Amino acid sequence: DSGVTQTPKHLITATGQRVTLRCSPRSGDLSVYWYQQSLDQGLQFLIQYYNGEERAKGNILERFSAQQFPDLHSELNLSSLELGDSALYFCASSVGITGYGYTFGSGTRLTVV
Amino acid sequence: DAKTTQPNSMESNEEEPVHLPCNHSTISGTDYIHWYRQLPSQGPEYVIHGLTSNVNNRMASLAIAEDRKSSTLILHRATLRDAAVYYCILRQAHSGSARQLTFGSGTQLTVLP
Repeated sequence: DSGVTQTPKHLITATGQRVTLRCSPRSGDLSVYWYQQSLDQGLQFLIQYYNGEERAKGNILERFSAQQFPDLHSELNLSSLELGDSALYFCASSVGITGYGYTFGSGTRLTVV
Repeated sequence: DAKTTQPNSMESNEEEPVHLPCNHSTISGTDYIHWYRQLPSQGPEYVIHGLTSNVNNRMASLAIAEDRKSSTLILHRATLRDAAVYYCILRQAHSGSARQLTFGSGTQLTVLP
């Protein structure tokens, strides 16, 4: 157990639907990062939050959004799902903006059918 | 971020040392060298990091060239559990802004029994 909890572990949904992925960071970590890993593209950074505020954006689609709540857990919302959104979604946390030593969760496997 | 270059794949025999190379010829003076690994169906896992001096921890050793343009991750006795994709990543220290990890394609390490 890395200390970063992601739920659900698996999710199967239909095209056009909307899903929410949840991440609880390691205790004491203020930064949360979301990554997408598909077979053909490797690990792609999506977005980062630090203490409730958005801090960095990567290649995140407009159909995707995220937020970090006062208790520091984060949710990644994926809407109007397409087959190509099928991937592993990882959440990572770290101590602070420039803190190193990221801890990753075990991921949510999303399958869009 | 400065770029790193790693071999796509390497093989090792069980219980033998493994040397995983990484080239980073455009590294800046404030870039730390990080290594993460990703076991099958798991999130990436922190292995080790360093700046200028060689580093050792319970998982591995990191040897950094004197000019810092290359580094080598050393697994002293490979086990089957060490079969994973190993990522070499440069990360600026104290950048003053959000710094996510940028993953390349890494090295797929196969450990033969």
